[in-house]
Amino acid sequence: GAGVSQSPSNKVTEKGKDVELRCDPISGHTALYWYRQSLGQGLEFLIYFQGNSAPDKSGLPSDRFSAERTGGSVSTLTIQRTQQEDSAVYLCASSLVSGRFAYEQYFGPGTRLTVT
Amino acid sequence: AQSVTQLGSHVSVSEGALVLLRCNYSSSVPPYLFWYVQYPNQGLQLLLKYTTGATLVKGINGFEAEFKKSETSFHLTKPSAHMSDAAEYFCAVSGGPGGGADGLTFGKGTHLIIQP
Repeated sequence: GAGVSQSPSNKVTEKGKDVELRCDPISGHTALYWYRQSLGQGLEFLIYFQGNSAPDKSGLPSDRFSAERTGGSVSTLTIQRTQQEDSAVYLCASSLVSGRFAYEQYFGPGTRLTVT
Repeated sequence: AQSVTQLGSHVSVSEGALVLLRCNYSSSVPPYLFWYVQYPNQGLQLLLKYTTGATLVKGINGFEAEFKKSETSFHLTKPSAHMSDAAEYFCAVSGGPGGGADGLTFGKGTHLIIQP
C-alpha cells in the first residue's frame, strides 16, 4: 500500500504569511507524529496524535504553531505569521498502536519550508 | 527525559571497510533504541531497532547494532561498506516500542561518506 505522503513537497513563503502543511498517514495507522528537521536543531519532535487527539502540545515551538487531525487520518500543521527561523523540513510519521504502545514509525518525504 | 549523542558528525570509510557509527543514550526508563537512515531529499527509513530480548539486533542492508546497557551505547556496524551506504544516519531513543506520546528523541546525525 501507499506510504506516508506529505504536501506540498516544497513551500516558499514570505515572512509573516501563514502556511499549512499536510500529512496523509498510512491507512489504519492511528498514531501520527510531526517532527522538524533543521540544520541548527537537528530532528525535533513536535506533536503526537492518537486518533484525533493530541495529549501534549508542549513540543510545538511557539503559539504560532498549531496542528489538527480529522477523521483519524489527515493531519495539518499550521504555522501563522511565519518567521525565518521556521525554515526547515517538516516530517510526518505514522504508526500502528496496540494497547498503550505505538510501533515502528513510517516517515513521509517531508515538506521543505523556506521563509524569505 | 532522554537524550542521544552521536559521536562524529561525519565518518569516512573506504568501500569494503568496516562501518562503525557510535551512539550513546541517556534514558530515565528502559530504552527502546532505533537507527534510521536518510538518503538525500528523502524521509527516514528504519534500519533496525532494539526493544527487548536479544541485545544484538540485525537490520536491513547488512547493518547490525548491539545494545550495551552498562555502556549506555547502541553502536551501528556493517562489516563491509558499499557505495550505496552513503547517507545520513540517525540514532534515536524512546520510552516505548515505537515512540508513543513522547515521540522519538534523535541524535544530531552522522553523515557517512564512502570512499571508492
